[in-house]
Amino acid sequence: AQKVTQAQTEISVVEKEDVTLDCVYETRDTTYYLFWYKQPPSGELVFLIRRNSFDEQNEISGRYSWNFQKSTSSFNFTITASQVVDSAVYFCALSEAITGTASKLTFGTGTRLQVTL
Amino acid sequence: DVKVTQSSRYLVKRTGEKVFLECVQDMDHENMFWYRQDPGLGLRLIYFSYDVKMKEKGDIPEGYSVSREKKERFSLILESASTNQTSMYLCASSSPSQGMSTDTQYFGPGTRLTVL
Repeated sequence: AQKVTQAQTEISVVEKEDVTLDCVYETRDTTYYLFWYKQPPSGELVFLIRRNSFDEQNEISGRYSWNFQKSTSSFNFTITASQVVDSAVYFCALSEAITGTASKLTFGTGTRLQVTL
Repeated sequence: DVKVTQSSRYLVKRTGEKVFLECVQDMDHENMFWYRQDPGLGLRLIYFSYDVKMKEKGDIPEGYSVSREKKERFSLILESASTNQTSMYLCASSSPSQGMSTDTQYFGPGTRLTVL
């Protein structure tokens, strides 16, 4: 069975600090996708990134960066120079194909990030 | 932008009531999903649908049913609401990329349901 572990339940940082959110996954599939979603206080999950298992290149998007390491089954998310607007719950998720054209997401339990002034 | 809307942000119902949660997406997506989110448990899949009138059970379907009569609309039904169904309910939709299951799911704002 697939599993996603986000060991950090809650993280508090002061604005402008860098912060890394950890994600470790388990799967027997050789082809899979990993995701990060952000859930601000409004409740809606916002898609941040999708990564396939064949692409271990790190990705950077503005202040966000992702480090995918297949050898350690990890897909960590770093926010550089954090801002108050980054305060949210962040979910890591792993896809599993359930039909030829649909996949199911297994979510971690989420990490609540609190950024203060 | 993908838009997924849910009929209510907050809902309060009594034990034993029949409850309908509605979800509509405007991007012609084939796949639609219902999750519930509980503290410490993340999101868990209740049901999903990959085509009109098609439905499949997810990880926790007990106590729920679904209906998909039109492509854009996916309803979650609690036949007889119970207090342990108090939760946040999130709907999502996706469309396969190039005919493969590499779809990204896009979520609605959620419905926080309280069953008294």
